[in-house]
Amino acid sequence: ELKVEQNPLFLSMQEGKNYTIYCNYSTTSDRLYWYRQDPGKSLESLFVLLSNGAVKQEGRLMASLDTKARLSTLHITAAVHDLSATYFCAVVALDSNYQLIWGAGTKLIIKP
Amino acid sequence: IAGITQAPTSQILAAGRRMTLRCTQDMRHNAMYWYRQDLGLGLRLIHYSNTAGTTGKGEVPDGYSVSRANTDDFPLTLASAVPSQTSVYFCASSDSNRRQILYGYTFGSGTRLTVV
Repeated sequence: ELKVEQNPLFLSMQEGKNYTIYCNYSTTSDRLYWYRQDPGKSLESLFVLLSNGAVKQEGRLMASLDTKARLSTLHITAAVHDLSATYFCAVVALDSNYQLIWGAGTKLIIKP
Repeated sequence: IAGITQAPTSQILAAGRRMTLRCTQDMRHNAMYWYRQDLGLGLRLIHYSNTAGTTGKGEVPDGYSVSRANTDDFPLTLASAVPSQTSVYFCASSDSNRRQILYGYTFGSGTRLTVV
């Protein structure tokens, strides 16, 4: 059974600081997605990582994938308040008709 | 604008009542999903449909039923609501081809359901 673990589950940080959210998964997969959810809102796709060593960047967020270690990271550089949200990673289970298996989410609060 | 429409946006429902949450997509995605989201528990899959005419059970299917009569619609029915079904419900869709690989799931805006 494919399991996806995110840590930390909650993170409070000051503006201007750097931090990393980790997403570990338990079995072979070749695709990983990062989503953002603002309070009371739906989920918005941030990054799609399709191969080992893939790195995607958008603004102050950078995501990477190491399929050998079964690990993805979401790095936040010089955090700003607008990045406060809950971030989810999700992994494709290769034998489950493309269904995504979700991490529990990381609630990120960035204080001004 | 292409996407997923969920209705209602929110609802307060008396326990024991029947309710159908509606989900319609206009992207011709073949796969659709229903999730519930509860504080601290992330997203849990209730039911899914890989193509019109087929459905499957997810992680937490009890008390819910779905149907998929056509590609666009995927309603979720609570036959007899209970307070533990108070949650936010999200419908999502994807295409089981290369587009899904690139874009993942598309989510609706959610239905906030309170069962009292």
